[in-house]
Amino acid sequence: SYELTQPPSVSVSPGQTARITCSADALPKQYAYWYQQKPGQAPVLVIYKDSERPSGIPERFSGSSSGTTVTLTISGVQAEDEADYYCQSADSSGTYYVFGTGTKVTVL
Amino acid sequence: EVQLVQSGAEVKKPGESLKISCKGSGYSFTSYWIGWVRQMPGKGLEWMGIIYPGDSDTRYSPSFQGQVTISADKSISTAYLQWSSLKASDTAMYYCARWNLAAPPAYFDYWGQGTLVTVSS
Repeated sequence: SYELTQPPSVSVSPGQTARITCSADALPKQYAYWYQQKPGQAPVLVIYKDSERPSGIPERFSGSSSGTTVTLTISGVQAEDEADYYCQSADSSGTYYVFGTGTKVTVL
Repeated sequence: EVQLVQSGAEVKKPGESLKISCKGSGYSFTSYWIGWVRQMPGKGLEWMGIIYPGDSDTRYSPSFQGQVTISADKSISTAYLQWSSLKASDTAMYYCARWNLAAPPAYFDYWGQGTLVTVSS
């Protein structure tokens, strides 16, 4: 089965930059998407097509792609950004859709 | 405004059947796929499957094929997720979400609030 690998946790101080990676073989061929999930809430899309930001998402959220790794960057982290973050993509054939393993962002 | 409103929490016993719902509004319900996502307690998100309400075309993740049934009633803009015989391991939060094919691969752009299913004897 196809898997997207993320670090389990990232810790960052307020105002600093958090970077969350997501790695898989098919990422050079398939776009990645990022979702934020705060405790007790449904996920929210924060980045689509590797680096596009939906309306209403703060500019401090950005995405990038390089080879088999995509990265979600949160610049100037705020306390409200503390959440779980999941990437999502598909295998090279576009047959199987999966979420990443998830990364818990802790704001110190 | 796009909205997906899910049915309320359920408490069931092992072996019982269950059907939960997801009602869409604010967009053309028959023009977008609707998907279901499982989140077991303290765990990550799992892609279960999707349905196209326009013609009821359905796709399942191999992990969920045969374990659940996804259906839709386009006349009332509602999608369903059902089990014929629940197990304790089905205890989870279930989210419906709109599946957007604007760019490959597709993604979930709007989410319901979630339905908590608890299966316990």
